[in-house]
Amino acid sequence: QQQVKQSPQSLIVQKGGISIINCAYENTAFDYFPWYQQFPGKGPALLIAIRPDVSEKKEGRFTISFNKSAKQFSLHIMDSQPGDSATYFCAASNLGDKIIFGKGTRLHILP
Amino acid sequence: GAGVSQTPSNKVTEKGKYVELRCDPISGHTALYWYRQSLGQGPEFLIYFQGTGAADDSGLPNDRFFAVRPEGSVSTLKIQRTERGDSAVYLCASSLTGGFSSYEQYFGPGTRLTVT
Repeated sequence: QQQVKQSPQSLIVQKGGISIINCAYENTAFDYFPWYQQFPGKGPALLIAIRPDVSEKKEGRFTISFNKSAKQFSLHIMDSQPGDSATYFCAASNLGDKIIFGKGTRLHILP
Repeated sequence: GAGVSQTPSNKVTEKGKYVELRCDPISGHTALYWYRQSLGQGPEFLIYFQGTGAADDSGLPNDRFFAVRPEGSVSTLKIQRTERGDSAVYLCASSLTGGFSSYEQYFGPGTRLTVT
């Protein structure tokens, strides 16, 4: 049973465009939703995270939109840059316990 | 400050051998997690320590896998009788405890294990 479903698997966006990655979760006990960015050969790096009591969180060019009733959340990357090319993972956790990751989205920003 | 460190960065071993993978968490972080990441997949949870004790080991795939954290800092993941299916990147993460900040897990670079 896949608890966090992520789409698309891969995404190509022009430089300056908006990259959007979507996730859905099943367990309503989840109370923490982070996004991680991973470059080849590196460990995942925490990008931005949200709790379910807010519907949106913005940090620079990165925004999480959260829909609790639909059990969905998404990452928006504004003004996408070639340096943003990486694999992005949505994830969910409960009370600081283990993190459940999605399968990842490989993002490629065209120069 | 220093992040999570893992050694070795790469390990090649023969099927049936025993391996140990080490994790040094961020100083002051009391929670430590091990994950395994197969090629093209997201990390999958293995075990979680709070201090010296394993708070959740539900992700360990079988009894060939074991982890310790004897002094509440450094942790070692031990794999006995390795199999080719154990080949993956083994990731370690650590976090503070208490409040929202306890949810933030910081990952090391991983150990790439290859079983031949």
